[in-house]
Amino acid sequence: LAKTTQPISMDSYEGQEVNITCSHNNIATNDYITWYQQFPSQGPRFIIQGYKTKVTNEVASLFIPADRKSSTLSLPRVSLSDTAVYYCLVSLGEDQGGKLIFGQGTELSVKP
Amino acid sequence: EAQVTQNPRYLITVTGKKLTVTCSQNMNHEYMSWYRQDPGLGLRQIYYSMNVEVTDKGDVPEGYKVSRKEKRNFPLILESPSPNQTSLYFCASSLQSQYFGPGTRLLVL
Repeated sequence: LAKTTQPISMDSYEGQEVNITCSHNNIATNDYITWYQQFPSQGPRFIIQGYKTKVTNEVASLFIPADRKSSTLSLPRVSLSDTAVYYCLVSLGEDQGGKLIFGQGTELSVKP
Repeated sequence: EAQVTQNPRYLITVTGKKLTVTCSQNMNHEYMSWYRQDPGLGLRQIYYSMNVEVTDKGDVPEGYKVSRKEKRNFPLILESPSPNQTSLYFCASSLQSQYFGPGTRLLVL
């Protein structure tokens, strides 16, 4: 069964690029990787999702190497409002019952 | 507005008193799930449902029950709550890009 591991915390400054890496062993070829952002007292909020290579949207990029044993969430030019906990999630395909495996979360602190 | 709603948002109860936390989504999603979130343990899946009348155990199902009689609702039932079920609970829908509810903070005394 897939398991995810990510750093517990990271510090950054406004305007910097932040990269958060999640390791996921035993990930199957049809498992997709999703990243979420969570603020205190709120539910997680979807950021980005991908299967392989690189995916980019208006808020982040997701890099997934060919072996898919890890993924890196890249936040360009962070601001104070990006201070939050970031989770990676491996979603086992529907043919595997739809189980979801969350990482422990990375607490990102952005300083002025 | 697309959303997932949970009720109640806050609940204090006593050991052994049955309770139900409701979850409803208005996006016609087939997949719904429940999580609990505890300090240092992150989000752990309790139960999930691929469709109506189809439910499966997640990582921490002990002490919980669910039902999925209709697509929009997925209640979480604690038949005999215990203090170790004090936690923050989230309901979510959609297998991809999950939409999360606002959370239910439960305290079992």
